[in-house]
Amino acid sequence: QITLKESGPALVEPTQTLTLTCTFSGFSLDTSGLGVAWIRQPPGKALEWLALILWDDDARYNPSLRSRLTVTKDASRNEVVLSMANMAPVDTATYYCSHYPSYSTRALDFWGQGTVVTVSS
Amino acid sequence: QSVLTQPPSVSGAPGQRVTISCTGNSSNLGAGYDVHWHQQLPGSAPRLLIYANIKRPSGVPARFSGSKSATSASLAITGLQAEDEADYYCQSYDTRLSVVFGGGTKLTVL
Repeated sequence: QITLKESGPALVEPTQTLTLTCTFSGFSLDTSGLGVAWIRQPPGKALEWLALILWDDDARYNPSLRSRLTVTKDASRNEVVLSMANMAPVDTATYYCSHYPSYSTRALDFWGQGTVVTVSS
Repeated sequence: QSVLTQPPSVSGAPGQRVTISCTGNSSNLGAGYDVHWHQQLPGSAPRLLIYANIKRPSGVPARFSGSKSATSASLAITGLQAEDEADYYCQSYDTRLSVVFGGGTKLTVL
């Protein structure tokens, strides 16, 4: 059974860097074709894809946020870390990680519960 | 502005059939990439409802079905139930962006 869980600070001050961790089980990022994606959802708004890291360390980013994002993985610890620099109030959102099978359907087939991040001084 | 286009809202009475459309372009649906649908109940994380255009994950009722043709896709819900009231998102792959979503459709059960 695949599960994912996001963790990180609930409150971040403007200009700070946000660091979120996705801890997962039921699959390995050493397995060819697998990946983990990050998605966010501002209150009352739509889902927005942020970043994706694949089993071979190929990292992809939403071009609109590319300069602020870094995604890395630690397959031995079953963790993926997302960093977002220069946080602003508009970045207040629920942040999700999801399992991403790049070798097949590319459907986000398992989601974490999400973690709420508020940007405020 | 989302890459895939969905109607902001749809509604239907219990027992009725509703459809939600999702329109893309030649970089995503039109390039032959699969469309997937996610259901987000109030206060919950999204969950996969339909994948690879027409397939249902284990546990998803047969009342939910999907279709795709060229640059468009649809999610149909028959025998509408109160518990189906949620936001629905389409998702696909795009040659410029690995993951793309629709803007979401709020389904209201009257």
